Amino acid sequence: TQLLEQSPQFLSIQEGENLTVYCNSSSVFSSLQWYRQEPGEGPVLLVTVVTGGEVKKLKRLTFQFGDARKDSSLHITAAQPGDTGLYLCAATQGQGAGGTSYGKLTFGQGTILTVHP
Amino acid sequence: SAVISQKPSRDICQRGTSLTIQCQVDSQVTMMFWYRQQPGQSLTLIATANQGSEATYESGFVIDKFPISRPNLTFSTLTVSNMSPEDSSIYLCSVEIRLGGSYNEQFFGPGTRLTVL
Repeated sequence: TQLLEQSPQFLSIQEGENLTVYCNSSSVFSSLQWYRQEPGEGPVLLVTVVTGGEVKKLKRLTFQFGDARKDSSLHITAAQPGDTGLYLCAATQGQGAGGTSYGKLTFGQGTILTVHP
Repeated sequence: SAVISQKPSRDICQRGTSLTIQCQVDSQVTMMFWYRQQPGQSLTLIATANQGSEATYESGFVIDKFPISRPNLTFSTLTVSNMSPEDSSIYLCSVEIRLGGSYNEQFFGPGTRLTVL
């Protein structure tokens, strides 16, 4: 079973600051997903990374996948109160035929982000 | 992506009773999952529910306590049986969808918040 270490667990910052959330494992990921969840709602998928060294950007959010596919980071630039929420990384455990990735997810512990106006 | 609904959105139940949670998705999917989540914490997988086969339960979860049905490719139910206050949690269903390329992605329902008195 892959173990995902996510840090920090809590992050409280002022509007306009930058922040980075980390997700690490001793195992190689098939693929990794980042989710954001607000109270009373289910997790919403932000991005999926599958290639070592991959960088994806979603407005002020930058996602990186480590070269060895064992770690990932989420960087938010100029955080806004609307970014407040629970951020979760999750990795797939399965590896199907032809190198496809499927199956149940293992989640990190989550990062509760609070951005103060 | 997929549109996933859950019923009920929340409930308050008495100790010893059972509650069945429904999950409906707007497209046919092979793999559906049920998770449990304490508020502000990460997700724990209860079981994988594939249409046409018995659900596969994770360590610590048993069919007698959490029976699952998967009658077709768009619907599943999770029953929390003989409830105790320790079962108070958020229950989430998710579906796995291949959007292209060599990886699949999971999308979540809004969750069912259960309180057991």
